Amino acid sequence: DIQMTQSPSTLSASVGDRVTITCRASQTISIFLAWYQQKPGKAPKLLISQASALQSGVPSTFSGSGSGTEFTLTINSLQPDDFATYYCQQYNSYPFTFGPGTTVDIK
Amino acid sequence: QVQLVQSGAEVKKPGASVKVSCKTSGYSFVDFPTQWLRQAPGQRPEWMAWINAGTGGQQDSKKFRGRLTITTDTSAATAYMELSRLTSEDTAVYYCAREVGGRYDFWGQGTLVTVSS
Repeated sequence: DIQMTQSPSTLSASVGDRVTITCRASQTISIFLAWYQQKPGKAPKLLISQASALQSGVPSTFSGSGSGTEFTLTINSLQPDDFATYYCQQYNSYPFTFGPGTTVDIK
Repeated sequence: QVQLVQSGAEVKKPGASVKVSCKTSGYSFVDFPTQWLRQAPGQRPEWMAWINAGTGGQQDSKKFRGRLTITTDTSAATAYMELSRLTSEDTAVYYCAREVGGRYDFWGQGTLVTVSS
C-alpha cells in the first residue's frame, strides 16, 4: 500500500497569512493526488484534484502543486472559513490512501 | 443538485452487524462508482470498498474481507454497506461518496456507528 505523510500536523496561523502544507507519498503517484478540507462533524470537501486542478466553487486562494512523491497545498490570505483540517489522498492505485491530516488553527 | 443521503446513527453490540444505506439523487447512479469509507475518531479517512451499479464491478479492502458486503438497488439509486462481526475497533463515521476518476467529489453526511457492550 502507498503510505501518505503530511507536515506539519498542526499549523497555527492568522487571518491573512499564507500557509503551506506538504504531503509525501511512499512511492511515485504521478499527479494522482487530491486535497480535502474537513470541518468538525462534516464530511471532507474536495478542494483540488490532479495535484493542482481547483474544484469548481473553491476560492482561488487555494492552490496545489507537485508530482511524483512530493506535493503542496498553499492557502494565500487565510480566511476565517479556512480554519479546518486538510487531508491529501492518493488515487494512483488501490487501496486509495489518505495522509494523517494537517489542522490549521487560529494563532 | 447532487446529493447522497445516508441512514441514521447506529449503536451495536460486539459481534453484531450493521447496514448503512446511501440514497443518491441529482445524477445518474449507474454512471459513477459509489465508494465507502470510514473515519474513526481523530483519524484519517480509510477506504473500504467501491461498487459500480452500472457494470456490477466491485472491490473491497483486504482489511474487511469476509466481513463486508456492498450492494446496490439501481431502481432506488441507493447503495448499501453491511459490516458484520463488529468490534469496538469498528466504531467510526461511515461515509459513502461519489467517485470521479479516483477522487471523491460528493459525500454523504456520514453515519456514526458505535460498537459498545
